[in-house]
Amino acid sequence: DIQMTQSPSSLSASVGDRVTITCRASQSINSYLNWYQQKPGKAPELLVYGATSLQSGVPSRFSGDGSGTHFTLTISSLQPEDSATYYCQHSSTTPITFGQGTRLDIK
Amino acid sequence: EVQLVQSGAEVKEPGDSLKISCKGSGYIFTSYWIGWVRQMPGKGLEWMGIIYPDDSDTRYSPSFQGQVTISVDKSISTAYLQWSSLKASDTAMYYCVRHHGGVINNWFDPWGQGTLVTVSS
Repeated sequence: DIQMTQSPSSLSASVGDRVTITCRASQSINSYLNWYQQKPGKAPELLVYGATSLQSGVPSRFSGDGSGTHFTLTISSLQPEDSATYYCQHSSTTPITFGQGTRLDIK
Repeated sequence: EVQLVQSGAEVKEPGDSLKISCKGSGYIFTSYWIGWVRQMPGKGLEWMGIIYPDDSDTRYSPSFQGQVTISVDKSISTAYLQWSSLKASDTAMYYCVRHHGGVINNWFDPWGQGTLVTVSS
């Protein structure tokens, strides 16, 4: 199985900060990498697919980058509603696997 | 609007059987793989498997192969996840998801609202 490792596991940042979450794959997954946001008590929602494509309706302050084994999700100017857990997920082969999640809190 | 609506929460005892459902609407149900994702309490997301409603082609994660059965009734646009003998360790939230793309190169959108399964004696 391909292992997905996110860093950091948690972070706290202030409104307006630029925040970057990293996801590394244990082997190359090309650009088959997606990002999801999950708020407490809710189902996850798709933010970014294919490593860099922003899902329709997602604010433009979110962006994804990377290919191969190293990927990033960046929030350019953190907003209070961005408090959530973020997961990366590869779809390069089965079984599909997720990163362990990054919990983002607002200071 | 594309939606996946799941059946309600369940409380079961160890050894019970269970079948939960996921009904799709707002799109051509037979044209997209449907998957299931487990989230144990306070934990992350685990992909369980997928089914293609048009021909019932099913793929399982090795971690869940033999532990659950994924099925579909395309006549009513509904996918199912079932257990023949529940264990306490099956206690979790279960989400169904629509796969955009194929078996590989895919992404999940939308997600169902989740079905909480609690297994306790």
